[in-house]
Amino acid sequence: AQSVTQLDSQVPVFEEAPVELRCNYSSSVSVYLFWYVQYPNQGLQLLLKYLSGSTLVKGINGFEAEFNKSQTSFHLRKPSVHISDTAEYFCAVLSGTSYGKLTFGQGTILTVHP
Amino acid sequence: KAGVTQTPRYLIKTRGQQVTLSCSPISGHRSVSWYQQTPGQGLQFLFEYFSETQRNKGNFPGRFSGRQFSNSRSEMNVSTLELGDSALYLCASSLGDRDSQPQHFGDGTRLSIL
Repeated sequence: AQSVTQLDSQVPVFEEAPVELRCNYSSSVSVYLFWYVQYPNQGLQLLLKYLSGSTLVKGINGFEAEFNKSQTSFHLRKPSVHISDTAEYFCAVLSGTSYGKLTFGQGTILTVHP
Repeated sequence: KAGVTQTPRYLIKTRGQQVTLSCSPISGHRSVSWYQQTPGQGLQFLFEYFSETQRNKGNFPGRFSGRQFSNSRSEMNVSTLELGDSALYLCASSLGDRDSQPQHFGDGTRLSIL
């Protein structure tokens, strides 16, 4: 069975400051990793994905994440946040035999203050 | 290319009724997954369909069912509605022939049970 833990339920930060949203996962098999963002009254938008290869992956809106297999982590980072980044962020994992079943963390609410 | 379309966006039902939600995937996508999102339980996987066949199912009671049509459109049905079924129901589509392909989400149907 897979599980995903997002270590912070809420992260407040000031505009133009850097931010890191933490995600740890557990799985007995190889996994694919994703970060999604959800704005109020909307669905989930894919920010980035790790499938294989380089452990540093870049996504949309200036976000990037680093896959660390030994620490089973996939933390999301942005060097300088904007007010418009205020949203809820979800880390998700999918294994090679999941057949469409994404397992999500509980989400991190990022609030960017002016 | 049009995104994933879910209808209706909002629904209000009473206990004991049944409801059908619809999802039209991105053109060319053959896999459709359904998720339930609630404040208490977060995002939970309901089931996944690929080429009209259910390939995977989450831990939900039999009152939750789904189907997929030959054009890949999918419907989800919930019978004998309970108060606890109030949630945002999200549909996601992907190409589906490999698990590594990311899922793209619709904006969801918000179901309220009175």
